[in-house]
Amino acid sequence: TQLLEQSPQFLSIQEGENLTVYCNSSSVFSSLQWYRQEPGEGPVLLVTVVTGGEVKKLKRLTFQFGDARKDSSLHITAAQPGDTGLYLCAVPGDYGQNFVFGPGTRLSVLP
Amino acid sequence: EPEVTQTPSHQVTQMGQEVILHCVPISNHLYFYWYRQILGQKVEFLVSFYNNEISEKSEIFDDQFSVERPDGSNFTLKIRSTKLEDSAMYFCASRTRHQSSYNSPLHFGNGTRLTVT
Repeated sequence: TQLLEQSPQFLSIQEGENLTVYCNSSSVFSSLQWYRQEPGEGPVLLVTVVTGGEVKKLKRLTFQFGDARKDSSLHITAAQPGDTGLYLCAVPGDYGQNFVFGPGTRLSVLP
Repeated sequence: EPEVTQTPSHQVTQMGQEVILHCVPISNHLYFYWYRQILGQKVEFLVSFYNNEISEKSEIFDDQFSVERPDGSNFTLKIRSTKLEDSAMYFCASRTRHQSSYNSPLHFGNGTRLTVT
């Protein structure tokens, strides 16, 4: 069973700052997804990364999959209050049909 | 854009009572899931459902839980005799299947908040 760690657990920053959050494991994954969850809502997919070393950009968000496909990072440039939420990484489960989620990084961007 | 719909948004029940949580997945999706999230904790997998049967379940999904797809559009989660520790947000999700099915994303509903008193 994959065990995902995410760091930091909590992050509170001022609008305009840059930040990076991490998703780590000792296991190798075929793919990794990042989701954002806002209060009272379900998680929403941000990106899927598949290839080791892959970098994907989504506006001010940059996602990187580690070369060994064991970890990933999410970098946000010039954070805005609308970026506030719980950022979750997820990987395919043992049998490939379910997804296992990390504990998340709770980001708060203050105006 | 099509979305996953869950009802009710909030369900309050007494310990020992049965509850049924309802979900309407996206219509052309083939995989269906229930996850739960206890307040402040991680999103936990309960069960996946494909081709009218359970394809995978976690240790949380014990004999008190069951799922059903009664009519081709609804997907329900039943908890037979609720316990206090069943209080959580329950999320339904669905996923399509295509060539790279393991990469296709989960589409979540907005959840049902279950409160067991």
